[in-house]
Amino acid sequence: AQSVSQHNHHVILSEAASLELGCNYSYGGTVNLFWYVQYPGQHLQLLLKYFSGDPLVKGIKGFEAEFIKSKFSFNLRKPSVQWSDTAEYFCAVTLQNRDDKIIFGKGTRLHILP
Amino acid sequence: EAGVTQFPSHSVIEKGQTVTLRCDPISGHDNLYWYRRVMGKEIKFLLHFVKESKQDESGMPNNRFLAERTGGTYSTLKVQPAELEDSGVYFCASSQDYPRSDTQYFGPGTRLTVL
Repeated sequence: AQSVSQHNHHVILSEAASLELGCNYSYGGTVNLFWYVQYPGQHLQLLLKYFSGDPLVKGIKGFEAEFIKSKFSFNLRKPSVQWSDTAEYFCAVTLQNRDDKIIFGKGTRLHILP
Repeated sequence: EAGVTQFPSHSVIEKGQTVTLRCDPISGHDNLYWYRRVMGKEIKFLLHFVKESKQDESGMPNNRFLAERTGGTYSTLKVQPAELEDSGVYFCASSQDYPRSDTQYFGPGTRLTVL
């Protein structure tokens, strides 16, 4: 069955540190890739997405992610985190040209120390 | 533009009782999805409506769960009778069908606790 694996369940960083959250998926076909974020007390919201084209995708709030097809990976990066980035981050996929259901990873809780 | 709304935000019920969750999608969105996150696990797909029709209900855990979307607007998810393992956060999401959108917009979720 298709699955998404996030490498870290809980990450603690100081402000201004660089961030990289790992994500790998298992599916042999073509996928759409997403990172969602849930800030404390708020909705899940889309951070960025990749459907096709340039594998380096830029999202909101200075985040970016790189799709490496050969590694089945879609890691999320930010060069300098802020306290306001404290949230839970979810990597997710949908299977192109198939059903629309989103397959999520377990999430990574990111805590930024001021 | 109003986002996806869900009601209630929290529900605490006893095992064996019935609970009905409601989701109002973004106006004009034909696609409506239900997902659930059990504590410590990933968010999992339950089902997908296109307008009032069930497109995919492969994620529904068992026949204690009944989802409806009469008239193709809001949707309800009923759990009857509720069991302890049904506790979790139930998310609803919606997306456009035309023009086609692959972005699903999520509601705030309903936290269900079954005692």
